[in-house]
Parts: sequence; C-alpha cells; structure tokens
Amino acid sequence: DADVTQTPRNRITKTGKRIMLECSQTKGHDRMYWYRQDPGLGLRLIYYSFDVKDINKGEISDGYSVSRQAQAKFSLSLESAIPNQTALYFCATSDPGPGSEQYFGPGTRLTVT
Amino acid sequence: TQLLEQSPQFLSIQEGENLTVYCNSSSVFSSLQWYRQEPGEGPVLLVTVVTGGEVKKLKRLTFQFGDARKDSSLHITAAQPGDTGLYLCAGGKWNTDKLIFGTGTRLQVFP
Repeated sequence: DADVTQTPRNRITKTGKRIMLECSQTKGHDRMYWYRQDPGLGLRLIYYSFDVKDINKGEISDGYSVSRQAQAKFSLSLESAIPNQTALYFCATSDPGPGSEQYFGPGTRLTVT
Repeated sequence: TQLLEQSPQFLSIQEGENLTVYCNSSSVFSSLQWYRQEPGEGPVLLVTVVTGGEVKKLKRLTFQFGDARKDSSLHITAAQPGDTGLYLCAGGKWNTDKLIFGTGTRLQVFP
C-alpha cells in the first residue's frame, strides 16, 4: 500500500464551489505539506504543518485553507474555487530536519470550469 | 518569487546521448536535492548533496553541488527511455524543514 495517499485523484468543479482535497500518510511523519504544480513553475508551497497544532502559510496560500485532523491526515480546502486554481496538487510528508527527504502522494488533478 | 531556475525547461534527445540539467540560484542553500517525477505520480528523491563541491554518482547519473552552494547540475550519460520524466531540484535552508523547488526540466528520451 502507498505511504501517502490523496483523494480524489481527479476532480472537475465549477467556479464558486467549495472543494476539499484529502491526504493521509502511514509513515508516522509529523511534517506535512501541500504543493501546487503548474507547468514551468515547478512545485509551489501552499501550506505546511510541522505537527498537529502547528500550521503555517506557504508562498501561495491566498484562496486556500487547511486542516490537520490528526498526525496522519492533512486536508486542503478551496472555499470558493476559481479557474486559475486549476492545477495538479501534491501532498508530501517528511521527517524533521533541514534537507530531509519529502515523500509525495500521487497527486490530485483539479479542474475549475 | 521563484528562487531556483532550471535549464533547459524541455529536453528531447535520442537514446544513448548525454545531457546536463542545471539548477541555479542567487541564494545559498544548506543542501540540494534532485527528484524525478513520472506521469501520474509524485516526485521521488534521487539524491541529496550537502557539501559545496560535492559530487555524487547514481549509476549513469552524476550530481554536483556548486562550490558556493548556489547551484547544482545533473548529468546523465547514455540516456535511456526509462530516464524520461520531470526532473526537479530543491534547495534546503539551515533554519527550516521547508524545501524550495526549482522550475523543473522535462526530459524525453526516444528509442
């Protein structure tokens, strides 16, 4: 079984709708991250959480919110989806420590029409 | 602000050719990682370099961290179709567990 899972894998939604992307991990890591991937821009950090009670904004948090329900679960919400939020979204986990390897889920492809 | 620029953005080559991908920044990093991402999957770590000037080899892949810790390169010798994918560099800083990812290089190797 995969260590980091994301649901749904694909989603098409309309402008203005609320949508939640879910991430679960079995690696026992405290650190969890949400990234967005767009062509030519690599991965950009949306939010990150270093433990259940520690949640921080990344470089592109506007229009997004997160919830850390447990050590193993980290959800990303789009309160009112807009077309420029169409992208590939990845969840990742890591051990503590600068330069630690990040383990990624398979991604969620989100299309906002 | 994108701190890590990769070049080229796209690379399409024949099997057996050699290639180099560059990852450049004006910032100093404590470590530099390289990931490979295949279609429908998340990135997977290939290597981490932590010392300025460090060179690491992984079969046909050679990774180098610049002396000033601001840049890195990935060289592939005799590329194979299985090397096809998106290559991402990522820089780490001393005071945080976050990574800064590069813009990515999409490599396609034709048989």
